[in-house]
Amino acid sequence: EDQVTQSPEALRLQEGESSSLNCSYTVSGLRGLFWYRQDPGKGPEFLFTLYSAGEEKEKERLKATLTKKESFLHITAPKPEDSATYLCAVRIQGAQKLVFGQGTRLTINP
Amino acid sequence: DVKVTQSSRYLVKRTGEKVFLECVQDMDHENMFWYRQDPGLGLRLIYFSYDVKMKEKGDIPEGYSVSREKKERFSLILESASTNQTSMYLCASSPIYRGYEQYFGPGTRLTVT
Repeated sequence: EDQVTQSPEALRLQEGESSSLNCSYTVSGLRGLFWYRQDPGKGPEFLFTLYSAGEEKEKERLKATLTKKESFLHITAPKPEDSATYLCAVRIQGAQKLVFGQGTRLTINP
Repeated sequence: DVKVTQSSRYLVKRTGEKVFLECVQDMDHENMFWYRQDPGLGLRLIYFSYDVKMKEKGDIPEGYSVSREKKERFSLILESASTNQTSMYLCASSPIYRGYEQYFGPGTRLTVT
């Protein structure tokens, strides 16, 4: 069965304290891994797409990396406005649909 | 900007009622999706559609049906609402060859009492 697991479920950091979120997956044929950000009361917003092991993508204080079994979302010197739930999803070979993890709720304290 | 709108932000219905959730997108996307989001379970796909009048079951279609009569509109129907269908419902759309690049609406929080 295709599975996506995110850890930790929740993470609380001080402003400026860098950390990483993890997304591990077991799928039959990976056709892409995607990171989304979701603010309270809103729908998820697309952040990154990663296709192959070793690939990295960056956007402001966020950097996403991919290996054959997991992806990391690194947050460098975070600010309170980075507080959100971060969702990871995978696209499986032959499918248009995505399989989502349960998300990591990130809180950055000023 | 891509815009996906959902008919209601909050909805309260009684057990046994028929419930319609409407979703409209303005980017001429071929694909449209309905998810539900529950704490600890993440987003789970209910149904999706890749063309007008076409539909495919997702991972949890039981108790739901959908309708897509026009390209821009995708409706989720709860034939007889039950309390275990209390959830956040999210609609998304995407271009046909980039089904992963999904644009989400704001969600409808449905409470069934």
